[in-house]
Amino acid sequence: SAVISQKPSRDICQRGTSLTIQCQVDSQVTMMFWYRQQPGQSLTLIATANQGSEATYESGFVIDKFPISRPNLTFSTLTVSNMSPEDSSIYLCSVRVSGGNQPQHFGDGTRLSIL
Amino acid sequence: QKEVEQDPGPLSVPEGAIVSLNCTYSNSAFQYFMWYRQYSRKGPELLMYTYSSGNKEDGRFTAQVDKSSKYISLFIRDSQPSDSATYLCAMSKDDKIIFGKGTRLHILP
Repeated sequence: SAVISQKPSRDICQRGTSLTIQCQVDSQVTMMFWYRQQPGQSLTLIATANQGSEATYESGFVIDKFPISRPNLTFSTLTVSNMSPEDSSIYLCSVRVSGGNQPQHFGDGTRLSIL
Repeated sequence: QKEVEQDPGPLSVPEGAIVSLNCTYSNSAFQYFMWYRQYSRKGPELLMYTYSSGNKEDGRFTAQVDKSSKYISLFIRDSQPSDSATYLCAMSKDDKIIFGKGTRLHILP
């Protein structure tokens, strides 16, 4: 499976600031996704990162809050904008190597705390 | 009713025991079923992936799917302390994956 690297691995940020999380894959992949994992909660899909076009957001997530880029088939970024303590969470990048209903593989996540 | 239900645990068992982890689901449209293992401060790691009812075995791990009962299980034989982790069930439909909340498992040496 693909090797997925996320940066930063963790950060502590001030309320009102923004943070960009990077996801780098060691091979070209069909699909890239961004998830949020809050304590005691299921992994929640934020959006599908589309190469060369706007991301597809799930209900409850909007582009102004979570802008996403995917300039090529191996890289994507997620920005958490105007952060508040409620945004404290683990943010995970995942990839699907090929199409169809193949499983997703995850990076190790970014642990984000907002003061 | 949530689409996927999973007991969060924690579940503590002695080393060498057989572990049984379970999930139930409500949507019969789910086609593919997965189990992920997540160690502390790490991302979920795919353990098992299956799309049919029945059993699938991989080493000490067996995944079982019962579509008629909407019930999936993961069995771990000869459990080791290194199996201590959170186990997430997941199932997919229409290219979307729905995850359970995860069960925390502790294997006691």
